[in-house]
Amino acid sequence: DIVMTQGALPNPVPSGESASITCQSSKSLLHSNGKTYLNWYLQRPGQSPQLLIYWMSTRASGVSDRFSGSGSGTDFTLKISSVEAEDVGVYYCQQFLEYPLTFGSGTKLEIK
Amino acid sequence: QVQLKESGPGLVQPSQTLSLTCTVSGFSLMDYSVHWVRQPPGKGLEWMGRMKYDGDTYYNSALKSRLSISRDTSKSQVFLKMNSLQTEDTAIYYCTRGFPPYWGQGVMVTVSS
Repeated sequence: DIVMTQGALPNPVPSGESASITCQSSKSLLHSNGKTYLNWYLQRPGQSPQLLIYWMSTRASGVSDRFSGSGSGTDFTLKISSVEAEDVGVYYCQQFLEYPLTFGSGTKLEIK
Repeated sequence: QVQLKESGPGLVQPSQTLSLTCTVSGFSLMDYSVHWVRQPPGKGLEWMGRMKYDGDTYYNSALKSRLSISRDTSKSQVFLKMNSLQTEDTAIYYCTRGFPPYWGQGVMVTVSS
């Protein structure tokens, strides 16, 4: 199975500051078709996960441009510029290159 | 508008079988896969298995011996059955559409006597 390892944030993050969440995969998620099979989700308290980014760097419909994804085949970063109160929750990375699909353990964001 | 909604019993006794239904709208089960994901209270996400648009299934090997996923395309429903439930199976169970993913609101299942 592909193991996804997420980093922690130095919480709480001051409102208006930027925050970067890291995720590392145990195997390259870069497919021969040139796409990288990585999603980012935000799970707000009491809600189901919401897709933020797919193909490592493509924002999902309706997602603020304050969210951006980047990375290589095995190392990924979700950047949130100018964090706001509504960004509070747990962020998950997920690989969908192969089964079983696997998630990182989550990174909690708190705002000051 | 894509929607998925999970339904099923909130409480299951240990050693019994869990049966959940995912009812979808806004897309066809013959065009998109549907996955099941669960989340124990306060913990992370675990992918359980999927029903592919062509009817093929694939399961997480950790659950394969206990898990079965089926569907009724005429009713736009996907079913999850998992037997021999234990307390560690207590979780929120989500159904999600295949790429691009949409998630249901989830259903909380507690395994307790």
